[in-house]
Amino acid sequence: RKEVEQDPGPFNVPEGATVAFNCTYSNSASQSFFWYRQDCRKEPKLLMSVYSSGNEDGRFTAQLNRASQYISLLIRDSKLSDSATYLCVVHGGGTSYGKLTFGQGTILTVHP
Amino acid sequence: DAGVIQSPRHEVTEMGQEVTLRCKPISGHDYLFWYRQTMMRGLELLIYFNNNVPIDDSGMPEDRFSAKMPNASFSTLKIQPSEPRDSAVYFCASSFQSPEQFFGPGTRLTVL
Repeated sequence: RKEVEQDPGPFNVPEGATVAFNCTYSNSASQSFFWYRQDCRKEPKLLMSVYSSGNEDGRFTAQLNRASQYISLLIRDSKLSDSATYLCVVHGGGTSYGKLTFGQGTILTVHP
Repeated sequence: DAGVIQSPRHEVTEMGQEVTLRCKPISGHDYLFWYRQTMMRGLELLIYFNNNVPIDDSGMPEDRFSAKMPNASFSTLKIQPSEPRDSAVYFCASSFQSPEQFFGPGTRLTVL
């Protein structure tokens, strides 16, 4: 079983749609969680951290369920510029401090 | 401020040749990571350093791969001899006292 699993998509949605991505992780000792965004032929960049209480940044909402080892990202009112690959990322902490494990990514295409 | 710098940006070489990839982390960062990204396997951590010391090289595929960090501002990833299956995008990333990593633009390697 992969350490971090995501639905690879692709998701094709019209502008203005709401889209949700899910992710599960296998290591219950994982400490912190993130969503990174990667544009085509570019490097990954941090989109947002994910907190246990859930957090929101504009049109983006991230949720964490530690009991189910499940992370989600919700994008409301999709824009063309949201088209990218979204990577679910887990940080182990402890003796693995600093080390991130990346999911395979979910591809999103927003069309006019 | 300069981000993570990688060189070369593109490298085309023939099987059997030695390839050296270079990385300059963000000044002051104490962690440096080397990743490989392919369509099939996604983003894989190869090795990472903390204060110039290799911490975990379990992701290095085989003895043909080696990495060094002679000082806080420079690291190399060497492949000798290179093989066609090494073709991928190689990213370097750095971080400072936080799981958030900042990625360089990557080196796109093609081994013929």
